[in-house]
Amino acid sequence: DGGITQSPKYLFRKEGQNVTLSCEQNLNHDAMYWYRQDPGQGLRLIYYSQIVNDFQKGDIAEGYSVSREKKESFPLTVTSAQKNPTAFYLCASARGTSSNEQYFGPGTRLTVT
Amino acid sequence: KQEVTQIPAALSVPEGENLVLNCSFTDSAIYNLQWFRQDPGKGLTSLLLIQSSQREQTSGRLNASLDKSSGRSTLYIAASQPGDSATYLCAVRDPRGYQKVTFGTGTKLQVIP
Repeated sequence: DGGITQSPKYLFRKEGQNVTLSCEQNLNHDAMYWYRQDPGQGLRLIYYSQIVNDFQKGDIAEGYSVSREKKESFPLTVTSAQKNPTAFYLCASARGTSSNEQYFGPGTRLTVT
Repeated sequence: KQEVTQIPAALSVPEGENLVLNCSFTDSAIYNLQWFRQDPGKGLTSLLLIQSSQREQTSGRLNASLDKSSGRSTLYIAASQPGDSATYLCAVRDPRGYQKVTFGTGTKLQVIP
C-alpha cells in the first residue's frame, strides 16, 4: 500500500524539550511538506523540500528544523524556541510535477505543557 | 497576499439533499485549486484538483467548478449521505511561488440521517 505515515499519532512533551516528528512516504514523491493546523485557522506551511538534501522555509519556520537525507523521509524537529508548539502537525507529499496534487499523512497531535 | 475564504463555516443538511460548498480567493492568478476532506483528528484526503485552465472536475457524486475571474470555486455534493460528514477545505496554489499553497479554514458539514 502506498502512502504517507506519520508517527506518533499523539505526542506529549514538557516545555523546553525538543521533539522530532516522523514523516515517511513510499509514493516516490519528490516534494514533501510540513504544515501546522490550529483551530479556526487554515493550514500554515512550516517547511518544504523539493528534492533530497534541499529544503526551504515556509511561512512559519521559526522554532522548527527539518532534514531531507532520504527521498522517503522528512522529519520535523520542534525546538524549545517555538513559542506555541501545541498543534496538529500534518505532513504532505507531491510528485513535484506540474499537477502537484498533495497527499497528506494522518497527522501528529503535539501537546506541550 | 492570497486569502482563501470558505463560507459558511458549518452546514447541516438532511440525508439525500444536494448541496454546494463555497470557496473564494482574492488573487485570481492561481496555478490550481484542490478540494480536500478532513475527518476529525485525521489528515486531509484529496477529493478533486482543478488546474487553472479547467472549469470543472467530477468524481462520483462530487463536482468542483472553478471561475478564476470571479475568484470562486464550488464543490457540489449530490445525494448527500451521513458518511459525507466531515470538514471540507479548499486550497489554491500560487503559480509564482511554486510551493506556495493557501488553505481556507474549511466548512464543517453534517449530514443528518
